[in-house]
Amino acid sequence: EAQVTQNPRYLITVTGKKLTVTCSQNMNHEYMSWYRQDPGLGLRQIYYSMNVEVTDKGDVPEGYKVSRKEKRNFPLILESPSPNQTSLYFCASSSPRSSYNEQFFGPGTRLTVL
Amino acid sequence: GENVEQHPSTLSVQEGDSAVIKCTYSDSASNYFPWYKQELGKRPQLIIDIRSNVGEKKDQRIAVTLNKTAKHFSLHITETQPEDSAVYFCAASIGYSSASKIIFGSGTRLSIRP
Repeated sequence: EAQVTQNPRYLITVTGKKLTVTCSQNMNHEYMSWYRQDPGLGLRQIYYSMNVEVTDKGDVPEGYKVSRKEKRNFPLILESPSPNQTSLYFCASSSPRSSYNEQFFGPGTRLTVL
Repeated sequence: GENVEQHPSTLSVQEGDSAVIKCTYSDSASNYFPWYKQELGKRPQLIIDIRSNVGEKKDQRIAVTLNKTAKHFSLHITETQPEDSAVYFCAASIGYSSASKIIFGSGTRLSIRP
């Protein structure tokens, strides 16, 4: 089954404790992105990647890191989480080879930073 | 910076009537305008998109119009049904696809009254 997976789905942590949210897709997609979703603010892009070893900042990259060492994986790293990073996070992937340019979203990761 | 404004934030229409959601964008270099639907507790899903070389696109009951001069685009849903109830997000991207920096509107919560 074609899908985007994220882990963990739920996480409660404390300020300053480094964490990684994993994202993996099995559709051989070149493009991957991370978003955060907050009430009243919609979706905001954190980072995006157009291929392996190619990443770029989105609208709200501060406090986040990403890496794209393999095509299928695009982890989101919070080196020192803070309470303002409490949010719902979505990973998404898409391909330029698709005639219908759809981003496939993962199920989301709800992060709470105390 | 780049901005996408979306109106209204909430919309309630009678089943069978039409719904219109409007967005304006600030970056005249934007070329790709997708619309996403997010049902309660679920991930966003692309419902329709339009590129800047097209003024209108239709897919069954859903249509999107684009006015590049005025920098605004709209989603039209005709013959609304209960399953259309969801939050809708517009977005604008400089690239011709989702594989680049993308800015989302803050969302419209659409409710269909029976």
